[in-house]
Amino acid sequence: AQTVTQSQPEMSVQEAETVTLSCTYDTSESDYYLFWYKQPPSRQMILVIRQEAYKQQNATENRFSVNFQKAAKSFSLKISDSQLGDAAMYFCAYRGTNSGYALNFGKGTSLLVTP
Amino acid sequence: DADVTQTPRNRITKTGKRIMLECSQTKGHDRMYWYRQDPGLGLQLIYYSFDVKDINKGEISDGYSVSRQAQAKFSLSLESAIPNQTALYFCATSDPGPNEGYTFGSGTRLTVV
Repeated sequence: AQTVTQSQPEMSVQEAETVTLSCTYDTSESDYYLFWYKQPPSRQMILVIRQEAYKQQNATENRFSVNFQKAAKSFSLKISDSQLGDAAMYFCAYRGTNSGYALNFGKGTSLLVTP
Repeated sequence: DADVTQTPRNRITKTGKRIMLECSQTKGHDRMYWYRQDPGLGLQLIYYSFDVKDINKGEISDGYSVSRQAQAKFSLSLESAIPNQTALYFCATSDPGPNEGYTFGSGTRLTVV
């Protein structure tokens, strides 16, 4: 089974600064997807960014970008120009071909943004 | 209306009671999932379904059962609720197409006392 590890239970960043959240995963598959989800206090699961493993180019969505290192099985999320609204729990997730293509989540990183 | 609707939003129930959490979707997706979220543990897969006749256990299915009444409806039941089933429960659907989109409901917070 694939495992997803988020080694930072909590992170803190000042407004307008940059922060990087770490994620590593373990798999023997070559074709898979990786995701970052944001969960604010409203508890809604919000897709932040997605990366297809076959794509070498790192995905970017506005202030959010990833550093995808396939050989190292690493998938970190960089948030630039942090805003108060970025404060939330962030989950890294893997989707392979097992378990009905279900998402396999890490334990999450709680991001605090300070003024 | 939300694409994936979960009811109830919050529920408190007593130990030993049977409870059903409901999920309906308007996405037209065949794949549906039930997850459980505990603090510090992320989301764990309980059950998943490809269609009304294809239901599969996830990593933490003990103590739970599901029913796929139609393509759009996927219910999760706790036959005899226990306090350690207190958690936030999410239903989700996915698109098997190239976009690989997942849509989550807003969750049901269940408390077993």
